[in-house]
Amino acid sequence: AQTVTQSQPEMSVQEAETVTLSCTYDTSESDYYLFWYKQPPSRQMILVIRQEAYKQQNATENRFSVNFQKAAKSFSLKISDSQLGDAAMYFCAYRSVNTDKLIFGTGTRLQVFP
Amino acid sequence: GAVVSQHPSRVICKSGTSVKIECRSLDFQATTMFWYRQFPKQSLMLMATSNEGSKATYEQGVEKDKFLINHASLTLSTLTVTSAHPEDSSFYICSAAHREGGYGYTFGSGTRLTVV
Repeated sequence: AQTVTQSQPEMSVQEAETVTLSCTYDTSESDYYLFWYKQPPSRQMILVIRQEAYKQQNATENRFSVNFQKAAKSFSLKISDSQLGDAAMYFCAYRSVNTDKLIFGTGTRLQVFP
Repeated sequence: GAVVSQHPSRVICKSGTSVKIECRSLDFQATTMFWYRQFPKQSLMLMATSNEGSKATYEQGVEKDKFLINHASLTLSTLTVTSAHPEDSSFYICSAAHREGGYGYTFGSGTRLTVV
């Protein structure tokens, strides 16, 4: 069974600085999807970024980018120019191509200080 | 696009009663919807997967007779917590799979259930 591990329960960053959130996963599959979701205090889940495993190029969405290391089964999220609105819980998630189910990591709480 | 509406956002009920939570896809057809439970400061735990027109698939350890899921149409899935007890108090979130802009998921805004 696939598992997703987020080893940083909490992280903090100064406004305008850069922070990287870690995620590792375990799978025997060669093709799959990886996601980062943000859950602010409102608790609405918001998609931050998505990566298809067959794509070698790292996904980027404005200030958010990933470092996808398939061999190492690592999928870290880099947030550049951090803003106060980035403060939230961040969840890494895995989806097999064989099922629609998302498997979530335990989450990382990000605090942003002015 | 790809909006999922979840109602109610908050509900308080008495022990022993049943509560229904609705999850609607507003601008797309959701053949597959998911129900999650989230405890405070914890991750989302998948409870079940519902497919339109068929029985829901429950995750191990989830009581199917307590958490009734119905997905009667392509835009509506419901979760009914039957004979609720205080330990059922939690935050429940639905999501729907869609293919807009590539494969993804849209989440409802969640329902906070408190059983007193």
